[in-house]
Amino acid sequence: EVQLVESGGGLVQPGGSLRLSCAVSGFTFSSYWMHWVRQAPGKGLVWLTRISGDGSATNYADSVKGRFTISRDNANNTVYLQMNSLTVEDTAVYYCARAEAVAGRSLDYWGQGTLVTVSS
Amino acid sequence: DIQMTQSPSSLSASVGDRVTITCRASQSISSYLNWYQQKPGKAPKLLIYAAFSLQSGVPPRFSGSGSGTDFTLTISSLQAEDFATYYCQQSYSTPRTFGQGTKLEIK
Repeated sequence: EVQLVESGGGLVQPGGSLRLSCAVSGFTFSSYWMHWVRQAPGKGLVWLTRISGDGSATNYADSVKGRFTISRDNANNTVYLQMNSLTVEDTAVYYCARAEAVAGRSLDYWGQGTLVTVSS
Repeated sequence: DIQMTQSPSSLSASVGDRVTITCRASQSISSYLNWYQQKPGKAPKLLIYAAFSLQSGVPPRFSGSGSGTDFTLTISSLQAEDFATYYCQQSYSTPRTFGQGTKLEIK
């Protein structure tokens, strides 16, 4: 069974940092692109970033470029999102998601999300 | 960046109704369009990929169509469990932008 479990969310002050983790199981992790998507309270989905199976390629939304870094540890089946210089606008539920294998163009499995609250 | 615009933003319908949600891209995205369903407090669920391909396990009352810039998601006969928010997403280029969502409510 495919599972994605996010962790690392919580309350952080503006300007602070946080690292989210997404531990996966049930599939060959290194064969899949992985993505992060967030959702502010009561708002829609916003795509943030993705990383290739071997970790050599990444892409970012402009809103997080230079502040957030995606990485992965294929030995431990985990993808990370390092978030720096956080602002109140970064308050959201953060989801990791797997890109489907064939073309990698849809997100076929999602974690349950982890809540990040940026507040003083 | 490619902008995705859904209409309507909200929709009231009854069980058994046929419902159509539209998604428009700001430029051609070929057939690189996905649809997701999200229920309150839950993660999104993939319904349709590549504009019209039904994800495994999704009931056939869901269907997708379109190419280029204009796409539709159709639910042929609404069931109680279909009341949710629906999002389109383009996968033609990064950033992989989503539409703003369509909230489907019970009339």
